[in-house]
Amino acid sequence: AQSVAQPEDQVNVAEGNPLTVKCTYSVSGNPYLFWYVQYPNRGLQFLLKYITGDNLVKGSYGFEAEFNKSQTSFHLKKPSALVSDSALYFCAVSGNTPLVFGKGTRLSVIA
Amino acid sequence: EAGVAQSPRYKIIEKRQSVAFWCNPISGHATLYWYQQILGQGPKLLIQFQNNGVVDDSQLPKDRFSAERLKGVDSTLKIQPAKLEDSAVYLCASSLISYEQYFGPGTRLTVT
Repeated sequence: AQSVAQPEDQVNVAEGNPLTVKCTYSVSGNPYLFWYVQYPNRGLQFLLKYITGDNLVKGSYGFEAEFNKSQTSFHLKKPSALVSDSALYFCAVSGNTPLVFGKGTRLSVIA
Repeated sequence: EAGVAQSPRYKIIEKRQSVAFWCNPISGHATLYWYQQILGQGPKLLIQFQNNGVVDDSQLPKDRFSAERLKGVDSTLKIQPAKLEDSAVYLCASSLISYEQYFGPGTRLTVT
């Protein structure tokens, strides 16, 4: 069965500093990997995806993620954090089956 | 382009009552999903429709939950009777291609 682990419940970072939100996965076959962001009282918004090709994926709002097959990881990164990036971030995986989401990581960017 | 619409946004009911949620997907999106998101957890798929047919309902508690998408457009999710543990946000999503889903704002259900 496929699964996603987000080992950090909370990540705190100062505005302007780089941020990383971690995600590891387990899936049979080739993974389809996603990051979504959730702001308060709103649905999930798609950030980026890895399906195939270049291991470094660029997405919305300056975010990027690196697919690492050997470490089964898909960490979300941004070179310079903004206060407005504060939200709940979900990693998700699909192995040609329905999406399975991690439990989420709350990112807090402090001015 | 209009997004996924859901109503109501909030609902409070007593246990053993029934409740229904409505979702209107993005125009042209053949696939529609209902997710349950319990506080502190990621969304969990309840049911997936392709047009008006069910693709996956393996995690839908069928003794109390039901869903339909009769005309292949909008959809209704019903809970009858509700239990305390059904308190959650119910998210609807739609997609044109299977791996890029667009989510609605959700319905927050509180069962007292």
